[in-house]
Order: sequence, then C-alpha cells, then structure tokens
Amino acid sequence: DVKVTQSSRYLVKRTGEKVFLECVQDMDHENMFWYRQDPGLGLRLIYFSYDVKMKEKGDIPEGYSVSREKKERFSLILESASTNQTSMYLCASSDTRGNTIYFGEGSWLTVV
Amino acid sequence: QKEVEQNSGPLSVPEGAIASLNCTYSDRGSQSFFWYRQYSGKSPELIMSIYSNGDKEDGRFTAQLNKASQYVSLLIRDSQPSDSATYLCAVIVDSSYKLIFGSGTRLLVRP
Repeated sequence: DVKVTQSSRYLVKRTGEKVFLECVQDMDHENMFWYRQDPGLGLRLIYFSYDVKMKEKGDIPEGYSVSREKKERFSLILESASTNQTSMYLCASSDTRGNTIYFGEGSWLTVV
Repeated sequence: QKEVEQNSGPLSVPEGAIASLNCTYSDRGSQSFFWYRQYSGKSPELIMSIYSNGDKEDGRFTAQLNKASQYVSLLIRDSQPSDSATYLCAVIVDSSYKLIFGSGTRLLVRP
C-alpha cells in the first residue's frame, strides 16, 4: 500500500517561531510537492522537487523554504511563522511521469 | 486569469441523477488532467486521469477532455449521497511536473 506520511498532523506555533513540516514517501518517487489549502482558494503549490537537492518555486513560495536531502523526504520550513500561514499543508509525491500523485493526510498548522 | 478554473458551487443534484462538473485551463501545452475527490477534513484522492481528447469511463465516472476548447469535465452517473464532496480539477502545466489545482466544486447529492 503506497504511503505519504506527514509526521505532524496538528501544530500550534507562535508568531516568529521556526516551523518544520516533514513528509516521507515510501514509493521511491522522484517528485514531491508541498501545497497549502485554504477555504475558497483550493490547493496552492508552494514548492516542488523533481530530484534530491533540486527544488522549484510554486505559486506562493514567499515565507517558505524546502529541503530535500534524501529522495524519500521533503521538508517544508517556515523561517518565521506568521498568522497568515495558518492553513492546512498537504504533501504529495509522484513518479517521474507525474501521472499519479499521492497525498499525505495533511498537517493543520495554527500560528497564534 | 487563473490557470485552472472551476465553478465553486455548490452543485446540488438528486440521488440517482447525473452530476456534471466542469473545468477550464489556460495552458494550451497541458497534457495531463486529473480529477480528485476531497471529503471535508481529508486529503484529496484521485478519481480519474485523462490524457487524450475524448471520453474515459471508469465505473460511474466519465472524464471528458477537449484540448481545443481547453475544457475537461467529470460526469458522475447514478449519483449517491456518498458522492457529496468537493471535486478538484488538476492539470500538469508547462510540460513539467508542476501540478496545478482549481479551487474545487462542491457537490451535494440530495437523498
């Protein structure tokens, strides 16, 4: 059974804190993605990675960075969390052709 | 113009009816198209993928693609209350692996 695991499901952080969201996939997929989802706005792409140590900006990268040191792991970093980053964050992975994308269960982040 | 557009709904249909969900996209070079279903509080799950013009059927679901019109749709036959969810259209753009989603259409199937 394929699996994308987001280790932190629910987090509450203070403004200005550094936040790490971790995502691990066990499918040997080349591509990994981070989205955020807000009511009425759908899923918006923050960053994606098509190989180890490779990353590309999505549509809303400001305030975020990512790290992919190993193929199976893709981390999203909020250097200094702000209240407008309160959202649900979804990690996903896909094979080289990008034909099937699997999602993790989501991480609900609240910044107070 | 947003890259992938959907009517937010809600689209309300009676049980047993056909639900028709529509999506338009802006990048003419797009080759891969997907429909996801998302229940409240859950992550999206893939229903259908389609890559060439025409229809693709899978059980009660039919995806339709018209690249000339930059239009993709999802038909759900014999709609059930359990089909009530938000349906997300997604497109791989720029000949890359960048998967862009529409904002979703909320479907409500009335018993």
